[in-house]
Amino acid sequence: GAGVSQTPSNKVTEKGKYVELRCDPISGHTALYWYRQSLGQGPEFLIYFQGTGAADDSGLPNDRFFAVRPEGSVSTLKIQRTERGDSAVYLCASSPTSRETQYFGPGTRLLVL
Amino acid sequence: GDSVTQMEGPVTLSEEAFLTINCTYTATGYPSLFWYVQYPGEGLQLLLKATKADDKGSNKGFEATYRKETTSFHLEKGSVQVSDSAVYFCALSALNQAGTALIFGKGTTLSVSS
Repeated sequence: GAGVSQTPSNKVTEKGKYVELRCDPISGHTALYWYRQSLGQGPEFLIYFQGTGAADDSGLPNDRFFAVRPEGSVSTLKIQRTERGDSAVYLCASSPTSRETQYFGPGTRLLVL
Repeated sequence: GDSVTQMEGPVTLSEEAFLTINCTYTATGYPSLFWYVQYPGEGLQLLLKATKADDKGSNKGFEATYRKETTSFHLEKGSVQVSDSAVYFCALSALNQAGTALIFGKGTTLSVSS
């Protein structure tokens, strides 16, 4: 079946702009996670959704970052007033429930100029 | 807090050589342990996992044993192939928390030559 998909695959923006990154999880998966992977590092947790609600947003670096999952399926990660330090690969993962194996999407590579 | 430390790369081997990538962890409670692999140009894929002490995870000739006494989960393969060239990530997930996030090591790059 279809895996986790993320759009766009690449995004180039200017400092100060607003961006939205989309994640389409595997159908039926109730748990959805966002991670950020900087160059040469492992992925770092940002936020976790169980259904429509953000159950854990402790990894969001500051209030410029926000994520939603209004219908319990597709999720959007939103970054306001982007900074050059936000440049990274943003990964989305989903799992059938919160304690099962996470399946990762291909990521969105964000470059802030 | 919880953390994962894995050996730094790159690791460069000839085909059919023996592979070990070390991974140790710090965690409260009893985490599940994972190895993920990222092939060039592809997304993260689960390679193997173990959910309790002394469990051995295995897949595609790779193995790792959950050692609670040494807080380790070293990845091994008896005979590597060129197609195993990738970045390998060790990770943990705390079982006793709802909505568990994965905590990753920094990754180890493996390069296998023929």
